[in-house]
Amino acid sequence: AQKVTQAQTEISVVEKEDVTLDCVYETRDTTYYLFWYKQPPSGELVFLIRRNSFDEQNEISGRYSWNFQKSTSSFNFTITASQVVDSAVYFCALVENRDDKIIFGKGTRLHILP
Amino acid sequence: EAQVTQNPRYLITVTGKKLTVTCSQNMNHEYMSWYRQDPGLGLRQIYYSMNVEVTDKGDVPEGYKVSRKEKRNFPLILESPSPNQTSLYFCASSPGGGISSNQPQHFGDGTRLSIL
Repeated sequence: AQKVTQAQTEISVVEKEDVTLDCVYETRDTTYYLFWYKQPPSGELVFLIRRNSFDEQNEISGRYSWNFQKSTSSFNFTITASQVVDSAVYFCALVENRDDKIIFGKGTRLHILP
Repeated sequence: EAQVTQNPRYLITVTGKKLTVTCSQNMNHEYMSWYRQDPGLGLRQIYYSMNVEVTDKGDVPEGYKVSRKEKRNFPLILESPSPNQTSLYFCASSPGGGISSNQPQHFGDGTRLSIL
C-alpha cells in the first residue's frame, strides 16, 4: 500500500541555517507523483512542488531545493538560509498513477528562530 | 479572484444533527476533494471527485457523504455527526487530469467543526 513517512515531527533551527525536511515514500506503482505543500501559521495550504516518478532531476527554486532519489524512495526538501517566514508545517504527499487518491505524510513542523 | 470557498468556516454542533459543509470553486476545475486535518495525523483524504457525477472514496470516507451535481460545487455531508469527526476540514480543487496533473491543488481556507 502507498505510504508517506515524514519522520521529523518538529524541527527548530536558527535563522540563516540550512534545514532539510525528509520524506520517504512507499509505492508499488512505477508511475507516481510526489508533492510538497506548506501550511503557514495562518492555516492555508500552499502548493510548493510536484514531481513525477520519471523525472529525477533535482529542482531549485530560490532558497528551496528538492532532492528526489528513487533508489532510496525519498523526496527531501531543503531550505537554504532559512528565514522566520519559512516557519510552517510542511507536508509531503504521494499520488499513484492507478488512481487520484492522495496520501499525505503527517507533516513536519518547522520553527525558524530569529 | 480564483478561489475555493468553504462554508461555514466554524461550526459547533451536537452529535447526530445532520450538517453540510459547502465547497465551491470558480476556476472550472474538474477535480475536487475533501480532507480532514487532525493533530499528529496530518491530512487525510475523505472523498474526491474527478468530474461531475463521479466520486470516489479516499482514505477515511466512513461517516461522510459527498455529491457532485455541478462542476463548481462539492458539498461534504455528515448525516449523523459524532465527536470523532471533530476536525479541521479542507476542500481543494485542481484542473482536469486529476491531482496528478502538473497544476497545483487550490485549497479552501478550512472549516473547523466541533461535534459535541
